[in-house]
Amino acid sequence: DADVTQTPRNRITKTGKRIMLECSQTKGHDRMYWYRQDPGLGLRLIYYSFDVKDINKGEISDGYSVSRQAQAKFSLSLESAIPNQTALYFCATSPGLDFRDTQYFGPGTRLTVL
Amino acid sequence: AQSVTQLGSHVSVSEGALVLLRCNYSSSVPPYLFWYVQYPNQGLQLLLKYTSAATLVKGINGFEAEFKKSETSFHLTKPSAHMSDAAEYFCAVTGGSNYKLTFGKGTLLTVNP
Repeated sequence: DADVTQTPRNRITKTGKRIMLECSQTKGHDRMYWYRQDPGLGLRLIYYSFDVKDINKGEISDGYSVSRQAQAKFSLSLESAIPNQTALYFCATSPGLDFRDTQYFGPGTRLTVL
Repeated sequence: AQSVTQLGSHVSVSEGALVLLRCNYSSSVPPYLFWYVQYPNQGLQLLLKYTSAATLVKGINGFEAEFKKSETSFHLTKPSAHMSDAAEYFCAVTGGSNYKLTFGKGTLLTVNP
């Protein structure tokens, strides 16, 4: 079984809809991350969480919110989806204290906003 | 501040040929550098990382990278390409505990038979 899982794997939605992407991990890591990947732009950090009570904005948090329901679960919400949020979204985890640690990525969620 | 530049968004090699993927970084503090690989329809996985120990870093699947401070580079190499190496490769940098991880834009490697 995969250590980092994401649901759904694919989602098509319409402008203005609220959507939630979910991430679960069985690695026992405290740190979790949400990234978006756009062709030619690499990965950009949306939010990250050091533990259940600590959530931080990344470089592109506008239009997104997150919830850390438990050590193992970290959800990303788009309150009112817009077409330029069409992208591939990745959740990742890491075991240690900061960004110098290896990150372990889920398989991604491909989101299309029409 | 920190940044990563990957030279060449697409590199094509023949099977058995040398693979060279270029990465230059900018960092105001001593950097930690990473190469991640993304196979089709999968998430990223770590190939190797530099954490201020040995400048020549060996990773999985026969890849290695050399940290060159004077050139601010961390190029990824593999002596002989396999078809299974076809993927997108990302270089990333962080400056330490107070810095986030910054990714390059990626290099798509194609291996021709």
